[in-house]
Amino acid sequence: EDQVTQSPEALRLQEGESSSLNCSYTVSGLRGLFWYRQDPGKGPEFLFTLYSAGEEKEKERLKATLTKKESFLHITAPKPEDSATYLCAVQADTGNQFYFGTGTSLTVIP
Amino acid sequence: NAGVMQNPRHLVRRRGQEARLRCSPMKGHSHVYWYRQLPEEGLKFMVYLQKENIIDESGMPKERFSAEFPKEGPSILRIQQVVRGDSAAYFCASSPRDNLYYYTEAFFGQGTRLTVV
Repeated sequence: EDQVTQSPEALRLQEGESSSLNCSYTVSGLRGLFWYRQDPGKGPEFLFTLYSAGEEKEKERLKATLTKKESFLHITAPKPEDSATYLCAVQADTGNQFYFGTGTSLTVIP
Repeated sequence: NAGVMQNPRHLVRRRGQEARLRCSPMKGHSHVYWYRQLPEEGLKFMVYLQKENIIDESGMPKERFSAEFPKEGPSILRIQQVVRGDSAAYFCASSPRDNLYYYTEAFFGQGTRLTVV
């Protein structure tokens, strides 16, 4: 069964303290892996799509990487405005839906 | 370019009433997904539609729930005879994907928060 596991569930960082979020996945064949950011009371906001192992994408303080079994979202020198829940999702090449993990709740303390 | 529009943002229904949730996809997007999110849980897939066609409804409860995406107008998720357990946030996402081999992401709306009292 296709599934996604994210860790840690929650992460507290001091402003400027870099760290990484993990997304482990099991899928029959990967069409794409997606990262989203979700603020309280809002819908998920698209960040990145990764298609193949070795691929990397960057946007401001965020960098996403992909291997054959997991993806990492690296946050460099985070700011309080980076506080949110970060969601990982995969789409299999045999299906239609996106399978979501339960997310990592990130809090960046000034 | 407006994003995915969902309405209403908040909906309160009494047990036994019907709930209708609307989703207008982004301009140029022909595919719509519906997801449900419960507190402390992840997003759960419900249904995937393109205009006038349900492609995958494997996540939709067999009873009381239905979805459509007509040729004209928004996609509608309908919940008949709502129960307290239907209280959740319902999110719609749209995608320009037009065939199984076109890789693309989905863009989400702000959701409809349904409360059943």
